[in-house]
Amino acid sequence: EDQVTQSPEALRLQEGESSSLNCSYTVSGLRGLFWYRQDPGKGPEFLFTLYSAGEEKEKERLKATLTKKESFLHITAPKPEDSATYLCAVHPRWAGSYQLTFGKGTKLSVIP
Amino acid sequence: DADVTQTPRNRITKTGKRIMLECSQTKGHDRMYWYRQDPGLGLRLIYYSFDVKDINKGEISDGYSVSRQAQAKFSLSLESAIPNQTALYFCATSDPGTSGEFGDEQYFGPGTRLTVT
Repeated sequence: EDQVTQSPEALRLQEGESSSLNCSYTVSGLRGLFWYRQDPGKGPEFLFTLYSAGEEKEKERLKATLTKKESFLHITAPKPEDSATYLCAVHPRWAGSYQLTFGKGTKLSVIP
Repeated sequence: DADVTQTPRNRITKTGKRIMLECSQTKGHDRMYWYRQDPGLGLRLIYYSFDVKDINKGEISDGYSVSRQAQAKFSLSLESAIPNQTALYFCATSDPGTSGEFGDEQYFGPGTRLTVT
């Protein structure tokens, strides 16, 4: 069974205090790993896709990395506007698989 | 204008009522999805459609049905609503042409908050 576990469930950071969010996954072959940002009461907003171990992608203060078992979302010098829930999802490679499996998310709060 | 729109945005209904949630997209994507989100459970797939003639059940399809009226429109129906269908519902779209062999990037609508009393 495909599984995605995100940690921590919640994270409070002071503005400028860098940290990382973790997404551990168990899947029989990985077609892609996705990171989304979700603000309260809104739909998830696509951030990154990672396809293979060793791959990295960056966008402003965010950097996503991928290994064979987990992905990290590094947040450098966060600002209050980075406060949101960050979701990780995997798309398994097994035949007939067209579904994403989502983690429960990490709620990030950045305090001014 | 938003690429993926959902109507209504909020709905309160009573147990046993039939309700339809609608999704429209202007992204030109062939693939469309319906998810529900519950606190502590994350996003779970209800149904997905790869084109007008292709509709598939997701992880939690019981109690739901869908209709793909056109490439741009995908509706979710609750035939007889029950309280445990209270949740946030999201429509999403994707385009396999941008990823080919790789996983599709999905783009979400703003959601419908449904309350069944």
